[in-house]
Amino acid sequence: KAGVTQTPRYLIKTRGQQVTLSCSPISGHRSVSWYQQTPGQGLQFLFEYFSETQRNKGNFPGRFSGRQFSNSRSEMNVSTLELGDSALYLCASSSKGGGLNYNEQFFGPGTRLTVL
Amino acid sequence: ELKVEQNPLFLSMQEGKNYTIYCNYSTTSDRLYWYRQDPGKSLESLFVLLSNGAVKQEGRLMASLDTKARLSTLHITAAVHDLSATYFCAVVRLSNFGNEKLTFGTGTRLTIIP
Repeated sequence: KAGVTQTPRYLIKTRGQQVTLSCSPISGHRSVSWYQQTPGQGLQFLFEYFSETQRNKGNFPGRFSGRQFSNSRSEMNVSTLELGDSALYLCASSSKGGGLNYNEQFFGPGTRLTVL
Repeated sequence: ELKVEQNPLFLSMQEGKNYTIYCNYSTTSDRLYWYRQDPGKSLESLFVLLSNGAVKQEGRLMASLDTKARLSTLHITAAVHDLSATYFCAVVRLSNFGNEKLTFGTGTRLTIIP
């Protein structure tokens, strides 16, 4: 069974540009979450999607947005890039979006974004 | 706001020694994960702890959860070099929809010295 895939793996942008990152979940998984990892702030939750709907959102400015498609693939977009947006962006998928049964999140390899 | 503190931040230990990493969190939680991350790599799930008193063991690693004390520990027994990595705990709060939102600890960078 293929794991979570993220594209691209590496990306270099300049300040003010925008960027779109893509995440394909494990087949059959319907929930996709995004996280940002930086040396200063650590790992922080961005947002979570289930069935094309954003269910949870972290404390990030509106420049960070996302969406999910009917095949559960997800994209996140960052507009007007700032130097501080340089980070490893991780996507995670799980099989269900809710319920009392725990559904482990499986992480992709990440996209390393560098903003110059 | 849920806060998760991990200590120590850095840990150098000799092969063969035992040590414990601590994860404290500030509010009630629904479950807790431990992850391993190698440099430049993604997160690898080690354990999920679902209830108070839960204990999980895999090889030289053992994790436990005390929900009353809001504390989880990751114990390393007889460390070997290939355990060198950064370890994160992540505390789960369930949303109104029942899906998970992870709040991560700061991470513990573990270096095993031969």
